[in-house]
Amino acid sequence: GQNIDQPTEMTATEGAIVQINCTYQTSGFNGLFWYQQHAGEAPTFLSYNVLDGLEEKGRFSSFLSRSKGYSYLLLKELQMKDSASYLCAVMDSNYQLIWGAGTKLIIKP
Amino acid sequence: GAVVSQHPSRVICKSGTSVKIECRSLDFQATTMFWYRQFPKQSLMLMATSNEGSKATYEQGVEKDKFLINHASLTLSTLTVTSAHPEDSSFYICSARDHRQGDTGELFFGEGSRLTVL
Repeated sequence: GQNIDQPTEMTATEGAIVQINCTYQTSGFNGLFWYQQHAGEAPTFLSYNVLDGLEEKGRFSSFLSRSKGYSYLLLKELQMKDSASYLCAVMDSNYQLIWGAGTKLIIKP
Repeated sequence: GAVVSQHPSRVICKSGTSVKIECRSLDFQATTMFWYRQFPKQSLMLMATSNEGSKATYEQGVEKDKFLINHASLTLSTLTVTSAHPEDSSFYICSARDHRQGDTGELFFGEGSRLTVL
């Protein structure tokens, strides 16, 4: 079956760096997405990786290793507003998005 | 970036009534839109894929007669929850992809609709 694993919850300190990992097992691969979702709101797009390596976008970076079925989202200079759930989603060979359960990130002052 | 508008954002209805939720792509055409349901503290669950001009494709376990989907134009899809029951109370979210980006483009999400059935 298809499976996306990411930690349920993480806690970090304002101003610090946090890495949220995502491992996947899917039938085929057409890219991996990271979305941010604040409580009670719809997800917003953060990043898309289809090739191995690191994609940097401001304070957020996303890494992909297709051979390892692994990605991470790196958040730097954490701000209180970064408290949210972070969803990892993989597009399989049928172009269907398989969603992880999300990682709830708690930022403490 | 592209904008997807969803309406209403909140709706409260009595058990047994029907509720319609609209999803519009405001500045792009979407041949395909997706409808998700999300229960508290859980991930998104795909309910159905809405295809313009044809019948929606429903995920296993989703009742197509209860969750009616209509995708009449390239910018509008509607989800109607028929004969709603309290267990249908949930956060419903639509998403769409710009057809020019093909199958791997970024998904743009609507604001979500919180349905409460009394």
